Amino acid sequence: DAKTTQPNSMESNEEEPVHLPCNHSTISGTDYIHWYRQLPSQGPEYVIHGLTSNVNNRMASLAIAEDRKSSTLILHRATLRDAAVYYCILRPSGGSNYKLTFGKGTLLTVNP
Amino acid sequence: DVKVTQSSRYLVKRTGEKVFLECVQDMDHENMFWYRQDPGLGLRLIYFSYDVKMKEKGDIPEGYSVSREKKERFSLILESASTNQTSMYLCASASGGLAGGRWRGANVLTFGAGSRLTVL
Repeated sequence: DAKTTQPNSMESNEEEPVHLPCNHSTISGTDYIHWYRQLPSQGPEYVIHGLTSNVNNRMASLAIAEDRKSSTLILHRATLRDAAVYYCILRPSGGSNYKLTFGKGTLLTVNP
Repeated sequence: DVKVTQSSRYLVKRTGEKVFLECVQDMDHENMFWYRQDPGLGLRLIYFSYDVKMKEKGDIPEGYSVSREKKERFSLILESASTNQTSMYLCASASGGLAGGRWRGANVLTFGAGSRLTVL
């Protein structure tokens, strides 16, 4: 299965943009890139997903590199409520592709 | 606006007890999952169900069984709880059907709030 690499932690200030990177150099052509986040004492929640093109929704933007070997989750104006662990995962294209692998993610700290 | 509900947020059980963790979703999703989450290990898939009475083993099914008698409900059963099953258990659901044993589409997961189980 394709794996992702994320920094263990990042720090940001409130109301500033945050760029959370993810490397997935072994991504296959039909793998979806998903981002989830987990607030303290909560289950993970879906943030955004994409395949090839950049994507925007009310929560965030997803920028996907042209070769698809990396992606960046962009929070345009961080708030204290955005402090969470952010997971970048790939939905594999073959085999038992419902087995989504959640790694350790990036712990985002937002300073007031 | 609750979509995936796990019956208990916190449980304390004794070694050898039979434990039931219940999960209900109201989104009419075909697929339901049970994960466990442990510090330093991320989320690990225990079981997956893609239809009523259908199940597939995940990465760590040993010591667990599941039941899906109705579309909206997916139960995780610990036949004889052990201390190494102390963990956070997360239920999730997703839309989308299987074709040829593979998911089609993006298949976004919706998670419950989690059930923290302590086995003494």
